Amino acid sequence: SSELTQDPAVSVALGQTVRITCQGDTLRSTYASWYQQKPGHAPVVVMFHKNTRPSGIPDRFSGSSSGNTASLTITGAQAEDEADYYCYSRDSSGLHRVFGGGTKLTVL
Amino acid sequence: QVQLQESGPGLVKPSETLSLTCSVSGGSMNYYYWSWIRQPPGKGLEWIGFIYYTGGTDYNPSVKSRATISIDTSKNQVFLKLTSLTPADTAMYYCARGDPLDYWGRGALVTVSS
Repeated sequence: SSELTQDPAVSVALGQTVRITCQGDTLRSTYASWYQQKPGHAPVVVMFHKNTRPSGIPDRFSGSSSGNTASLTITGAQAEDEADYYCYSRDSSGLHRVFGGGTKLTVL
Repeated sequence: QVQLQESGPGLVKPSETLSLTCSVSGGSMNYYYWSWIRQPPGKGLEWIGFIYYTGGTDYNPSVKSRATISIDTSKNQVFLKLTSLTPADTAMYYCARGDPLDYWGRGALVTVSS
């Protein structure tokens, strides 16, 4: 089991807002980054340092963090946002890295 | 544009050693971490470990005793060796740059089977 906990699946209606969360004790003191993975493709970073979007990532993606929870919010979800989303941060030792279990996002 | 490409054998026998190479083009290896990540079929991502360009390493405790990551900055390559393979090591293996992971290779599928 991962030290970063994600809901296995989330759904959102087209054009609506969805929040994908990642919980872990280490997130109280360090940031998570977020990766989008579509079937048959390598993951792509969509958010890092809490709320920094790499170039080319639409501004409908935003990040936040509170307590032991990091969140990735998609405001106005599009069909192309349907994918698996993984958070990534340090493990409880603070030394190693770990991925959350992933959240499968379905856009209805 | 930075590009990473993994290469290695697609099929390895149980108990053997896996050797993968990640070739980096379009950018310097200096001042970055270089990670290996794997993904078993239909499952999530697992961080294997990383190496800093100066050679310092860190590994996932679950594979630490079997994994070795090395780097050759003169050839722009990062290497992964994983010993004592079992079918549970069957996965897509990715290399990625940085921490966070800003560039990824397309992955190399490795099947462990006799």
